[in-house]
Amino acid sequence: DTAVSQTPKYLVTQMGNDKSIKCEQNLGHDTMYWYKQDSKKFLKIMFSYNNKELIINETVPNRFSPKSPDKAHLNLHINSLELGDSAVYFCASSTARRGQETQYFGPGTRLLVL
Amino acid sequence: AQKITQTQPGMFVQEKEAVTLDCTYDTSDPSYGLFWYKQPSSGEMIFLIYQGSYDQQNATEGRYSLNFQKARKSANLVISASQLGDSAMYFCAMRDLNNAGNMLTFGGGTRLMVKP
Repeated sequence: DTAVSQTPKYLVTQMGNDKSIKCEQNLGHDTMYWYKQDSKKFLKIMFSYNNKELIINETVPNRFSPKSPDKAHLNLHINSLELGDSAVYFCASSTARRGQETQYFGPGTRLLVL
Repeated sequence: AQKITQTQPGMFVQEKEAVTLDCTYDTSDPSYGLFWYKQPSSGEMIFLIYQGSYDQQNATEGRYSLNFQKARKSANLVISASQLGDSAMYFCAMRDLNNAGNMLTFGGGTRLMVKP
């Protein structure tokens, strides 16, 4: 009964490749997010998405693109992977209802680019 | 722009004692939410506690309480009766409740180590 799940948990790939990370939530939330945690443990928002709009952090390279086939899924596609993309990527979800805005995180995907 | 500062990169606490993890924030928005998350060595992000900027009382959840001082723009996490399992990274985060993106801004984290 996992609330927010991500696959794969680990991803090792070569520079220049294209890869995807999948995220699914079964909480009935209407908003999903992608965060990046770097080697110093710093967490930074990449995207916020609900079925109405996509908000992109302006610092995110356009090699990264979120794709949502339905309300319960928000996948992350990365083109032309670079060494600096190595990090842990977290998916999260929440509702927009006031007082219930807590974001629940997936287990993370550890990406290593060689 | 929002900013969250956690000034303690690492802290030790003796088992069964209480510990306070500091968090200060900076925002010009009148309506915001403050969150604390725990990240154990296994890596997952675990939600601990939430405080809304208009909440009259400090939030509490079991052994966790949030010492919210709005005028000082601080939202310190207090863990009572520390346990060995509390050893982890702790992140303070803020969300502007009027922001369409509802995104969280995180502090740099505090590594808590509980000594037996």
